[in-house]
Amino acid sequence: SQTIHQWPATLVQPVGSPLSLECTVEGTSNPNLYWYRQAAGRGLQLLFYSVGIGQISSEVPQNLSASRPQDRQFILSSKKLLLSDSGFYLCAWMNRLGANVLTFGAGSRLTVL
Amino acid sequence: QKEVEQNSGPLSVPEGAIASLNCTYSDRGSQSFFWYRQYSGKSPELIMSIYSNGDKEDGRFTAQLNKASQYVSLLIRDSQPSDSATYLCAVKAGGFKTIFGAGTRLFVKA
Repeated sequence: SQTIHQWPATLVQPVGSPLSLECTVEGTSNPNLYWYRQAAGRGLQLLFYSVGIGQISSEVPQNLSASRPQDRQFILSSKKLLLSDSGFYLCAWMNRLGANVLTFGAGSRLTVL
Repeated sequence: QKEVEQNSGPLSVPEGAIASLNCTYSDRGSQSFFWYRQYSGKSPELIMSIYSNGDKEDGRFTAQLNKASQYVSLLIRDSQPSDSATYLCAVKAGGFKTIFGAGTRLFVKA
């Protein structure tokens, strides 16, 4: 069966510090991978998606970036965090041969102070 | 801008009642429709998916889709306190992106 791992689960970072969130998927090959952000009390905002190694599509202009160095690894980064980057970051995968269902990791809660 | 709209609630129903959650979407090319449940502090989990007009039932849950009206709903029968959560409507058109509504908070009173 497929599983998705996301870490760290929680982090508190000062403004201006760098960020790296990592996501890996097991039990599937060539998945579509996604990063969403959820601000407190809000819906899910799509940040990035990837359909293959090195292929990244960005949905919103911001100080975040994403990379996919391996088929089942998706990384979200920032060189300098802003207060507005606080939120709940969710990695998700989709089997492109399946029913278009997104499956989420457990999430990473980021607080920027 | 492709949008998915939901009433933010909160929707409060007594235990055993039917909870009705509604969602509208703007992209007429949308093909896949989903309801996710999200408990506080947790990630969303899939409750129902529906791809064609009509009703789809799974246990206490029924999803309803009307593409002409660009409307999708979720009915929860015999609501339980454990159903208290935020319910997210999600829509996928062709391509790779799934767009989410802001969610409806549901409270089931024991």
